[in-house]
Amino acid sequence: QVTLKESGPVLVKPTETLTLTCTVSGFSLSNARMGVAWIRQPPGKALEWLAHFFSNGEKSYSTSLKTRLTISKDTSKSQVVLTMTNMDPVDTATYYCARLIGGYSGYYYFDYWGQGTLVTVSS
Amino acid sequence: QSVLTQPPSVSAAPGQKVTISCSGSSSNIGDNYVSWYQQLPGTAPKLLIYENTKRPSGIPDRFSGSKSGTSATLGITGLQTGDEADYYCGTWDNSLSAGVFGGGTKLTVL
Repeated sequence: QVTLKESGPVLVKPTETLTLTCTVSGFSLSNARMGVAWIRQPPGKALEWLAHFFSNGEKSYSTSLKTRLTISKDTSKSQVVLTMTNMDPVDTATYYCARLIGGYSGYYYFDYWGQGTLVTVSS
Repeated sequence: QSVLTQPPSVSAAPGQKVTISCSGSSSNIGDNYVSWYQQLPGTAPKLLIYENTKRPSGIPDRFSGSKSGTSATLGITGLQTGDEADYYCGTWDNSLSAGVFGGGTKLTVL
């Protein structure tokens, strides 16, 4: 059974760097045409795609956040890590990781999601 | 401002049918498959529809999806109070090289 679980700090200060870890089970991060994406949702607002990492090593980042984001994976630990630098109160949100299917011929969707982790940015 | 455009809210009575639209462009919906997600209050989103029309195992056939050109539609028939949720469309955008979502539609079952 496929599961994803986010972990990281619940509170960060402005200007600090956020590091979130997504630990997956039930599938391998080396499975073809699969990957993991990070998506966030500010309180009461819509979903916002942040980044993805496919099994073939291909990465992509949100255009507006590209300079602040880094995504990496440790296949042996079944983990995908997202770092976001220079955190600001507007980055307060629930951060989700999700299993991603696609990266070819127009296919792109998230079939399993983690429960999400609320990160608050405040001094 | 979301790349994909959805109505903020829709409503209908129990047992009725509702549709939720998702409008995009040639670089996203026009060239890629669309997926739909249901987010019940206080929970993570769940995949409802993928590849425009397909339902994952366990999703009832009351939920359907379609796509035409640069727009997609989610249909829900036989509405139940348990269907009250936020619904999001999503796809890939070739120009942005990024995943994109709609702004979400809140469904109220009156």
